[in-house]
Amino acid sequence: RKEVEQDPGPFNVPEGATVAFNCTYSNSASQSFFWYRQDCRKEPKLLMSVYSSGNEDGRFTAQLNRASQYISLLIRDSKLSDSATYLCVWGSGSARQLTFGSGTQLTVLP
Amino acid sequence: SQTIHQWPATLVQPVGSPLSLECTVEGTSNPNLYWYRQAAGRGLQLLFYSVGIGQISSEVPQNLSASRPQDRQFILSSKKLLLSDSGFYLCAWKGSPNEQYFGPGTRLTVT
Repeated sequence: RKEVEQDPGPFNVPEGATVAFNCTYSNSASQSFFWYRQDCRKEPKLLMSVYSSGNEDGRFTAQLNRASQYISLLIRDSKLSDSATYLCVWGSGSARQLTFGSGTQLTVLP
Repeated sequence: SQTIHQWPATLVQPVGSPLSLECTVEGTSNPNLYWYRQAAGRGLQLLFYSVGIGQISSEVPQNLSASRPQDRQFILSSKKLLLSDSGFYLCAWKGSPNEQYFGPGTRLTVT
């Protein structure tokens, strides 16, 4: 089983739509969780950390479910500029290393 | 603020040639540094990480090596490139508490 599993997509949604991505992780010792965004041919950029209580940043909401070992990202009111690949990331313990998912590709259509 | 630089941005090298990619970080001291590779259409593969000068941990056995000659400098090298070494090479530093921040990357094509 992969350490991090993501639906690769692609997800094609119209502008203004709400879209949700899930990601499952296999290591129950995982302590740190993140969502990164990667534009085509660019470096990944931190989108948001994921906290146990869930957290929101504008149109983006991240949730963590430790019992089922998955994290989710919800994007409301999608914009064309949200088109990118979204990477699910986790780290364990001191998080000296992070494990990256292969990403979910999102295209927001006009 | 912290910034991370990588060069060159793109590189085309023949099989069997040597490689040297450089990464430098500004605005932070004694950072944990990382080298990743991303093959076309694939996820990130951790190659090396370093917690300090001269300290290198290798994650994947291959014909690549890394060195950290200075606190904020991390170098990725190879003596002889293979076709399979083509990819997008990313350097990152570890922030606080645990997130990582990436440089702009080097796109390597081995021909």
